[in-house]
Amino acid sequence: DAGVTQSPTHLIKTRGQQVTLRCSPKSGHDTVSWYQQALGQGPQFIFQYYEEEERQRGNFPDRFSGHQFPNYSSELNVNALLLGDSALYLCASSLEWAGTDTQYFGPGTRLTVL
Amino acid sequence: GQQLNQSPQSMFIQEGEDVSMNCTSSSIFNTWLWYKQDPGEGPVLLIALYKAGELTSNGRLTAQFGITRKDSFLNISASIPSDVGIYFCAGRGSNYKLTFGKGTLLTVNP
Repeated sequence: DAGVTQSPTHLIKTRGQQVTLRCSPKSGHDTVSWYQQALGQGPQFIFQYYEEEERQRGNFPDRFSGHQFPNYSSELNVNALLLGDSALYLCASSLEWAGTDTQYFGPGTRLTVL
Repeated sequence: GQQLNQSPQSMFIQEGEDVSMNCTSSSIFNTWLWYKQDPGEGPVLLIALYKAGELTSNGRLTAQFGITRKDSFLNISASIPSDVGIYFCAGRGSNYKLTFGKGTLLTVNP
């Protein structure tokens, strides 16, 4: 039973560039949430996707956008990167009918913006 | 963004000791969760609590959902070296978003 997978593992970008991060949910899961974790902090909720639509968004600017595909996998896009966007980006998946509280996290993508 | 108040920030204990950490919020939550994160990995769910007053165990771990719905605690009994890591509390209110604490760094001396 494959867990949540994310790619790439690490990424280095420069200010102003754009980045796309990818997530494959745990087998059978249909809901994907994205979090940003700065060094020394807890994860901060970015948004959640269900049925290919964003249904909840945290306090993040429009530079952060996402997509969910019919196979439930998801992408996180960040435009016009800032130094402050450097963080670990975590994807979590869950099953809608079982209650989306039980979220399983992937290993994350470490993004460094220079 | 909003974060829960989690304490202590760090703990240094001897193997075999018991550990207690807690989390408080100014908002009411419907669900409390406790996660553990090891370096270079994502958080792993330890315990989920769904009802005020609920006390749930998972092996040597015990967690409680506070009666006021604004707090939770996690106890680890008879700590072992592999308990080392960062422990996070997380709460969910009436929406889909999980709000996390800043974490408790646990160090266990063998």
